[in-house]
Amino acid sequence: DTGVSQDPRHKITKRGQNVTFRCDPISEHNRLYWYRQTLGQGPEFLTYFQNEAQLEKSRLLSDRFSAERPKGSFSTLEIQRTEQGDSAMYLCASSPDRGGDGYTFGSGTRLTVV
Amino acid sequence: AQTVTQSQPEMSVQEAETVTLSCTYDTSESNYYLFWYKQPPSRQMILVIRQEAYKQQNATENRFSVNFQKAAKSFSLKISDSQLGDTAMYFCAFCAPRGKSTFGDGTTLTVKP
Repeated sequence: DTGVSQDPRHKITKRGQNVTFRCDPISEHNRLYWYRQTLGQGPEFLTYFQNEAQLEKSRLLSDRFSAERPKGSFSTLEIQRTEQGDSAMYLCASSPDRGGDGYTFGSGTRLTVV
Repeated sequence: AQTVTQSQPEMSVQEAETVTLSCTYDTSESNYYLFWYKQPPSRQMILVIRQEAYKQQNATENRFSVNFQKAAKSFSLKISDSQLGDTAMYFCAFCAPRGKSTFGDGTTLTVKP
């Protein structure tokens, strides 16, 4: 297993465009998490999945953000009509069923909205 | 909602010395987990050490140990014999039983030769 993979590593987009990020978790991990991190801040929770079920979505997220995890494997995070404030590092992590085991993080996707 | 506070934005330590990073949290949960993660410059975040709230014994992983004070809701990280490779941003995290973690804003640690 190669750990948690995220694609792309970097994305530059014009304001108003839609973007989609992909995350491939560790295959044995049932839980998958999306976080957003801005410079000098800690990761901020966006949403998480138990297998294919989306269990929670942050109330801070606008309707422009959506995430899926079809068949409980990889996940996608889509941002519609991007704004400059969406510029950040988007982190994906996975864990076994027990949250107490901690997360394995991917390298992240850095989004720049110009 | 849980909150995690790291009151030291930046710290530095001389190589081979010991440093302690502070973390406090707020929760009404009785059973939970606490973690320290390390994020080296431009590299991915990795788990350093974990603590289960119902265990009184402090966790230890090689040069890394914690001081867990449940009543005070305090969870500090001690790094002994600091190495240049320990230079990184360190995040304290609280994990609820459901599995969602809340992170602090981090402490940037610089180890000086």
